[in-house]
Amino acid sequence: EAQVTQNPRYLITVTGKKLTVTCSQNMNHEYMSWYRQDPGLGLRQIYYSMNVEVTDKGDVPEGYKVSRKEKRNFPLILESPSPNQTSLYFCASSKPLPGQGDEQFFGPGTRLTVL
Amino acid sequence: TQLLEQSPQFLSIQEGENLTVYCNSSSVFSSLQWYRQEPGEGPVLLVTVVTGGEVKKLKRLTFQFGDARKDSSLHITAAQPGDTGLYLCAGGSNYKLTFGKGTLLTVNP
Repeated sequence: EAQVTQNPRYLITVTGKKLTVTCSQNMNHEYMSWYRQDPGLGLRQIYYSMNVEVTDKGDVPEGYKVSRKEKRNFPLILESPSPNQTSLYFCASSKPLPGQGDEQFFGPGTRLTVL
Repeated sequence: TQLLEQSPQFLSIQEGENLTVYCNSSSVFSSLQWYRQEPGEGPVLLVTVVTGGEVKKLKRLTFQFGDARKDSSLHITAAQPGDTGLYLCAGGSNYKLTFGKGTLLTVNP
């Protein structure tokens, strides 16, 4: 089954404790992206990757890191989480040009709470 | 930064009614996508429009892309409770998709 998987689905942590949210896709997509979704603010892009070893900042990259060492995986790293990073996070993948109409496939989401 | 304004933000209607959701921007987009999101899940693509003036129909849903490719609308005919969800428009330009804040639709039986 074609899918995007994220782990963990739920996470409660404390300020400053480094964490990684994993994302994996099995569709051989070149493009992967991370979004956060907050009430009243909608979906905002954090980082995206056009292909292996190629990443770029989205609209809200501060406090996050990413890496793309393999085509299928795109982990999101929070080196020192803060309460304002409490949010619902989505990973997505698509063929190379989502802006030209390529469908984005979203994972099920990771609900993160930073205390 | 490109912005997409969606309206209305919330919409509660009775089964059988018609409704229209709007997505507007001052920017030109290469494509416009509509997604639907249900609680606890990620958004799922409904339709993509790429040509100015394009109209696409998906059963009771009609999508239109403005002539200038800056705006779009989603019209639902005879809404059903199963249409309940968060509807998101997303404007595309090469590697980026910019999402609107969404319209939360509730269709009451």
